[in-house]
This record gives sequence, C-alpha cells and structure tokens, in this order.
Amino acid sequence: AQRVTQPEKLLSVFKGAPVELKCNYSYSGSPELFWYVQYSRQRLQLLLRHISRESIKGFTADLNKGETSFHLKKPFAQEEDSAMYYCALKDRQGAQKLVFGQGTRLTINP
Amino acid sequence: SQTIHQWPATLVQPVGSPLSLECTVEGTSNPNLYWYRQAAGRGLQLLFYSVGIGQISSEVPQNLSASRPQDRQFILSSKKLLLSDSGFYLCAWSSYGYTFGSGTRLTVV
Repeated sequence: AQRVTQPEKLLSVFKGAPVELKCNYSYSGSPELFWYVQYSRQRLQLLLRHISRESIKGFTADLNKGETSFHLKKPFAQEEDSAMYYCALKDRQGAQKLVFGQGTRLTINP
Repeated sequence: SQTIHQWPATLVQPVGSPLSLECTVEGTSNPNLYWYRQAAGRGLQLLFYSVGIGQISSEVPQNLSASRPQDRQFILSSKKLLLSDSGFYLCAWSSYGYTFGSGTRLTVV
C-alpha cells in the first residue's frame, strides 16, 4: 500500500541555519512525489515536484529510490519559511490520488 | 483560468445536526475531485474522490458521504454530525497537478 511518512511533527531552527524536512515513502512502482506548503492563512499550495528537479524559494528535494526518501532541504532558512509542509505521493493508477504525510510544522526563529 | 471555490469558510454545528459543504470548480471540464480532512495532529486524509458525475469512491468508513450532482460540483454531507467530525475540510481538483480550495473549518459542539 502507498504510504508517506514524515517523522517530525515539529521542527524549529534558527534563521540562517540549514533545514531538512524528512520524508519517506512506500510505493510499489515508480513514484511521483511532491512537497506542498501551507503558510499561515493561505491555501495549501505546491512547492515542488521531483520530476521537475527544480529549486523553489531556495528549497530542493532529491528522490532517493534506494532509501525511499524525498527529503526537503534549504541551506539557509528564512523567517518566511515558517509554515506547514506536507510530503505527498501520487498514485498513478485510477483517480491519481495524492497520499499525504502527516506534515511537519517548521518554525524559523529569528 | 481554473479556480476552485469552497464554502463556507467556517462552520459551528451542534452534534446530531446535518452538514453540507460545497465545492465548485471553474475553467475546466471533467476534473477529478477530492475531499480531504485535516484533523489536528493527523495530517491530510483523503475522504472521497470522484472521477465523474455520480461516481464517488470512499477511502475511509465514516459518518460522512459525498455526491457529485454536476460535473464541477462536489458536495460533502452528513445526516448527523459527531464530535469527531470536527476538522478542516479541503476540496481539491486535479488535472496535471492538484489545486486546493481555501478550506472549511468545521467545529462540532
């Protein structure tokens, strides 16, 4: 069965420090993975997807099939990065459902 | 452009009362539609999805039901709310990517 695990519910780092939000997945097939972000009082929105191999707002995420991980990283955290982050996996069959992790609330301290 | 509307934004309902949350999509046809719930400390859980009019699939057994009376309308309902139905409900549609509505915060008292 598809599963996404984010082991940290809360993560707090200081401004300028590196950030890594962990995500592990379980999927029988070739996965398609995403990171979504929800800033305070805003809608849940796409941050990045692994197939694009892009960097958004300084964040990157590399798919590691050997470790079944898709960790989100940023070398220097900024206060505006404080938000709720969700890792998600798309089930490519049927209705293309998104399976989400539990989410990690990231707080950047000044 | 494609947009998704979800209402109401907040709702406080007594236990045992009915529920109807509505979601509509504009600018696309035959979208896949989804209802998610974001309960405190439990992340985002898929409740229902629909690939077409009248087609509803349930992901988890619960006190809620969903309907899709029109191509771009998705409704979440309950005949009698429970305290455990409290949470933040999100509607979404997908084509290439997912777009989420602004959500409804439901408090059952």
